[in-house]
Amino acid sequence: DGGITQSPKYLFRKEGQNVTLSCEQNLNHDAMYWYRQDPGQGLRLIYYSQIVNDFQKGDIAEGYSVSREKKESFPLTVTSAQKNPTAFYLCASSPGTGLSYEQYFGPGTRLTVT
Amino acid sequence: QKEVEQNSGPLSVPEGAIASLNCTYSDRVSQSFFWYRQYSGKSPELIMSIYSNGDKEDGRFTAQLNKASQYVSLLIRDSQPSDSATYLCAVNGQGGKLIFGQGTELSVKP
Repeated sequence: DGGITQSPKYLFRKEGQNVTLSCEQNLNHDAMYWYRQDPGQGLRLIYYSQIVNDFQKGDIAEGYSVSREKKESFPLTVTSAQKNPTAFYLCASSPGTGLSYEQYFGPGTRLTVT
Repeated sequence: QKEVEQNSGPLSVPEGAIASLNCTYSDRVSQSFFWYRQYSGKSPELIMSIYSNGDKEDGRFTAQLNKASQYVSLLIRDSQPSDSATYLCAVNGQGGKLIFGQGTELSVKP
């Protein structure tokens, strides 16, 4: 089956620890995205990548880092510098970055930091 | 000013009625518009995309776009309790990015 996988579904960490969220897609999509969603809020873009070995900051990149070493994979690291990391993290992919390309989402990872 | 605005709701409609969800956007050059459905605790699911002025129908869903008024809407005919969810409007930004509204919560009462 083609799709986007994110793991784990739930993640618990202590404050001060870095944590890496996995995102893999087998859709052969060029572009990948990371969003954050807080309760009752829309989606906010953290980072995105249009091509392997290249990525750009989104609207709320501070405290996060990413890599894009393979087309299929776009892991997100939530660092200890992120002031309020508890949130629902969503990975998405798109066939391209033209105006008409739709984004498709993975199932998400719910991160709780205490 | 928010770039994509939606009424947060909740919007409550009886089963079988038409649900009307609205979205306005601020960037006049936007060309692509998307509606996502998000069930509680789940990720967004793409249900409609529209690129030209007018109506686009897919089953019980109709997307309507009016670029002059910078307005896009989603109509759900014969609403079912299973349609109860949050509906997110998204508009294309630069570099393939999407700009999302905060979503409208829809509740369909049996």
